[in-house]
Amino acid sequence: QVQLVESGGDLVKPGGSLRISCRASGFAFSDYYMSWFRQAPGKGLEWVSYISGSSNGIFYADSVKGRFTVSRDNAKNLVYLQMNSLRAEDTAVYYCARVIKHDWSPDPWGQGTLVTVSS
Amino acid sequence: DIVMTQSPLSSPVTLGQPVSISCRSSQSLLHSDGNTYLSWFHQRPGQPPRLLIYQISKRFSGVPDRFSGSGAGTYFTLKISRVEAEDVGVYYCMQAAQFPLTFGGGTKVEIK
Repeated sequence: QVQLVESGGDLVKPGGSLRISCRASGFAFSDYYMSWFRQAPGKGLEWVSYISGSSNGIFYADSVKGRFTVSRDNAKNLVYLQMNSLRAEDTAVYYCARVIKHDWSPDPWGQGTLVTVSS
Repeated sequence: DIVMTQSPLSSPVTLGQPVSISCRSSQSLLHSDGNTYLSWFHQRPGQPPRLLIYQISKRFSGVPDRFSGSGAGTYFTLKISRVEAEDVGVYYCMQAAQFPLTFGGGTKVEIK
């Protein structure tokens, strides 16, 4: 079955960098857009980024544009989120999700990885 | 950016009774391709969200038929016909008519 497993979440100081990963299995990875969302503790959902199957379509939320970079390795079924110049407000659980066909909705979602930005 | 506004914030409901959640967008979600990109998600405590409905009323794979979506333009509704214990949690609407994708603030459904 379709499975998404995020990893790499950690405690990082403000201004620092971190790369998180999402390993996909159970489907033809390169055929799908993949996405990143985040949820600050006790808060709602926020879209972060989308990347197309061939990486030629990439979109970012304004809050992360210029600081975060999404990429993917279709040979390894991995999608990455490189996060630079991290701020306290980037503290959140980061979810990876597959984007369904013929729509822009994400499902399924992984269990998430916690990124904490604090001194 | 399109602002999504949900109501109510919280909805205590009796098991077996219906519940409705509203979602309003600051702009029409009708895309130039003819589709309206409004989705609904359910998130149980400690769990990732799960897609319930996309394009206003299309039930996603495996979603029980007690869940239904309706609406058009800027006003949308999610209805649960008979609430079950597993339906507790927070429900979010999301628009994908244009980037950036945006979510409503969430509606918490709890059992009375």
